[in-house]
Amino acid sequence: QMQLRESGPGLVKPSETLSLTCAVSGGSISSGSYYWGWIRQPPGKGLEWIGSFFSDGTTYYNPSLESRVTILRDTSKNQYFLNLRSVTAADTAVFYCARAEGRRGVTFGLWGRGTLVNVSS
Amino acid sequence: QSVLTQPPSASGTPGQRVTISCSGSGSNIGTNPVNWYQQLPGAAPKLLMYLNNQRPSGVPDRFSGSKSGTSASLAISGLQSEDESDFYCSTWDDILGGPLFGGGTKLTVL
Repeated sequence: QMQLRESGPGLVKPSETLSLTCAVSGGSISSGSYYWGWIRQPPGKGLEWIGSFFSDGTTYYNPSLESRVTILRDTSKNQYFLNLRSVTAADTAVFYCARAEGRRGVTFGLWGRGTLVNVSS
Repeated sequence: QSVLTQPPSASGTPGQRVTISCSGSGSNIGTNPVNWYQQLPGAAPKLLMYLNNQRPSGVPDRFSGSKSGTSASLAISGLQSEDESDFYCSTWDDILGGPLFGGGTKLTVL
């Protein structure tokens, strides 16, 4: 059964880069018709899509974050990564990685447990 | 900026039927199918409904979805205490160029 697990520092200083890893087990991120994405949720607030990539590596981002975000993957380790640059307190959130399917990967059918990242000095 | 509008809260008593609405526009719900997610307290969201009215395996048929024009609805019949959670609608938005989520509705079972 496929599983996703997020990992990374729980505390990042303002203006620095937030870096997270999503480790995928039970299936390959480079095969099939799945998309792989990052979604965040500020404490007590709703969900915000950050970006996704298809199994062929095609990547697309939320325009509101695109200037600060990079999503990369390591197919040899079956992991993918989120880098969010120049963070501020407004970037404090639970970050989820998720597998998506359907047309353009709009349906997130499998989620990781999430990891809370606080942006604070 | 595209927005999916949900009521912030909804409530019902056990056994009742509750409906949660999701209002969008032509760039999202008007031209794309809607998904719904359920988020239990302290947990990750879980896909509850896809393609407007399709239930993933394991989702009880007490949950149903519909879409008309630029709005969608999630109905929960036979409300149970374990349904108390947050619900989010979502769809592709052509302006955003990606998935868009509603603000979420907190369901309370009285």
